[in-house]
Amino acid sequence: GDSVTQMEGPVTLSEEAFLTINCTYTATGYPSLFWYVQYPGEGLQLLLKATKADDKGSNKGFEATYRKETTSFHLEKGSVQVSDSAVYFCALSERGADGLTFGKGTHLIIQP
Amino acid sequence: GAGVSQSPRYKVAKRGQDVALRCDPISGHVSLFWYQQALGQGPEFLTYFQNEAQLDKSGLPSDRFFAERPEGSVSTLKIQRTQQEDSAVYLCASSFRDRVESDTQYFGPGTRLTVL
Repeated sequence: GDSVTQMEGPVTLSEEAFLTINCTYTATGYPSLFWYVQYPGEGLQLLLKATKADDKGSNKGFEATYRKETTSFHLEKGSVQVSDSAVYFCALSERGADGLTFGKGTHLIIQP
Repeated sequence: GAGVSQSPRYKVAKRGQDVALRCDPISGHVSLFWYQQALGQGPEFLTYFQNEAQLDKSGLPSDRFFAERPEGSVSTLKIQRTQQEDSAVYLCASSFRDRVESDTQYFGPGTRLTVL
């Protein structure tokens, strides 16, 4: 079945550091890929998405590129802020499937 | 705001009790999803509605779990004879269209269920 693997946390960085959170997936078809974020005390919200190979999703300074050849969708940001501290989930959705398949989440902690 | 709302936000139940969790999706959204999120894990799919029709319930862990959306809007997830392993956060999400894999799902804040 489908699965998503993302790097274990917590990931602790200093403010203005470069961020990469790795995400790889296994799917039978050609899925859409998503990053969701959960800020403390809040619900899951979509951060960015990509629906086909080589698409780049971007939002709030975060970017991720759909790499079909490496089945990856790594999340990057050039300069993180304390306000980026949250749990980040990589997810996929396949045509004909009825729900998202999520990774386990990566807890990001940004220190001032 | 007009986001997805869930109630109650927290529920404590004694083992063996029945519970009902409510979800109010965004108005006009055709699709509604329920997920279960255990501590330290990602959400796992439970069931999917397109309007009032439950099209997929393959993720429901046992026949103690039952979901309905009788008028194609509000949905209720019911758990009968709760067990300790049912303790989790239950998330509801809705999306505008039906079964489009690229659609954004909008999530509610979740109901945290603790079974003692």
